[in-house]
Amino acid sequence: GDSVTQMEGPVTLSEEAFLTINCTYTATGYPSLFWYVQYPGEGLQLLLKATKADDKGSNKGFEATYRKETTSFHLEKGSVQVSDSAVYFCALSDFNDYKLSFGAGTTVTVRA
Amino acid sequence: EAQVTQNPRYLITVTGKKLTVTCSQNMNHEYMSWYRQDPGLGLRQIYYSMNVEVTDKGDVPEGYKVSRKEKRNFPLILESPSPNQTSLYFCASKTWGEETQYFGPGTRLLVL
Repeated sequence: GDSVTQMEGPVTLSEEAFLTINCTYTATGYPSLFWYVQYPGEGLQLLLKATKADDKGSNKGFEATYRKETTSFHLEKGSVQVSDSAVYFCALSDFNDYKLSFGAGTTVTVRA
Repeated sequence: EAQVTQNPRYLITVTGKKLTVTCSQNMNHEYMSWYRQDPGLGLRQIYYSMNVEVTDKGDVPEGYKVSRKEKRNFPLILESPSPNQTSLYFCASKTWGEETQYFGPGTRLLVL
């Protein structure tokens, strides 16, 4: 079945550092890929998505590119802020499925 | 405001005492789903519903029931809760043709 593997955390960074969270996937079809973010005490929010190979999703300074050849969707941000401290989830959705398959989540803490 | 709401947000109960977690969405979405979030496991789907009176099992349905009598509501029922159902629960919804799911704020359940 479909699955998502993302780098284990926790990740601790200083403000203005570069952030990368690796995400790879296994899917039989042509999935759409997502990054969701969960801020402390809150629910999940869609951060960005990409629906086909080579698409780049971007939002709030974060970017991720759908790489079919490496089955990856790594999340990057060039300069993190304390407000980016959250848990980040990589997920995929096959259009023929009725669910999102999530990675385990990566906790990111940004220190001032 | 378009949103998914869940109640209660926090619940402490004892083993065997039936409980219901409500979920409601105001976006006229056909599809609704329940997930549970556990550390190191990400989110896993419990049940989903493609429309009124249509429900199906997700990956971890044991010990849970759902119903979909109205389009906007999708309650999660634990008829005899056990400690291994202690978790953070999320309801989500989406419309057909759209892959992005919208999540509620979560319900944190502790079963003693």
